[in-house]
Amino acid sequence: DTEVTQTPKHLVMGMTNKKSLKCEQHMGHRAMYWYKQKAKKPPELMFVYSYEKLSINESVPSRFSPECPNSSLLNLHLHALQPEDSALYLCASNPMGGQDYGYTFGSGTRLTVV
Amino acid sequence: LAKTTQPISMDSYEGQEVNITCSHNNIATNDYITWYQQFPSQGPRFIIQGYKTKVTNEVASLFIPADRKSSTLSLPRVSLSDTAVYYCLVGDQVPDNFNKFYFGSGTKLNVKP
Repeated sequence: DTEVTQTPKHLVMGMTNKKSLKCEQHMGHRAMYWYKQKAKKPPELMFVYSYEKLSINESVPSRFSPECPNSSLLNLHLHALQPEDSALYLCASNPMGGQDYGYTFGSGTRLTVV
Repeated sequence: LAKTTQPISMDSYEGQEVNITCSHNNIATNDYITWYQQFPSQGPRFIIQGYKTKVTNEVASLFIPADRKSSTLSLPRVSLSDTAVYYCLVGDQVPDNFNKFYFGSGTKLNVKP
């Protein structure tokens, strides 16, 4: 298995809802990432997990809460989002946490906040 | 933090070779240069990575001069399906053996018939 799988592919949520995005990989990668991408913009780094521990939080608002239950799974919990949080949310992984192997990205979750 | 600068867009025709150049003046000694391709509503896809000189794989070549302050992605004989955004990334080396990647603005390649 050489893929990063993200679910759901599409999500519509109200501003008072609580929802979660899921990311899964079975490549044994020990670094996992969340990126946010607005239309016609490059992906923006949100969080980095290394060996199941949160290593980097790029000053992301607390309404986004990441979780890494095990080495294969990465979640992003969403609560009280704003319409401007609508975007494509991308998960990525890397085997050793180093850049000499490249990153594998999932296809993303298209989130719409209404 | 090593920033990258790329042309916003490029046009080409099917069958031509396309060269996309990226500037990264502040690249660190240990940083690699990685290129990704992204189609609309999909995640970026790894194309090629290099440290210096030339790297070639089945889809592209990467040319890096000795000073490493720039790099050029070369796509041979492009087709309509190569229409996408191409990102050049230079990692920010941090302790604990992992990296955080920042995407530049990317280059929108339009391949015409």
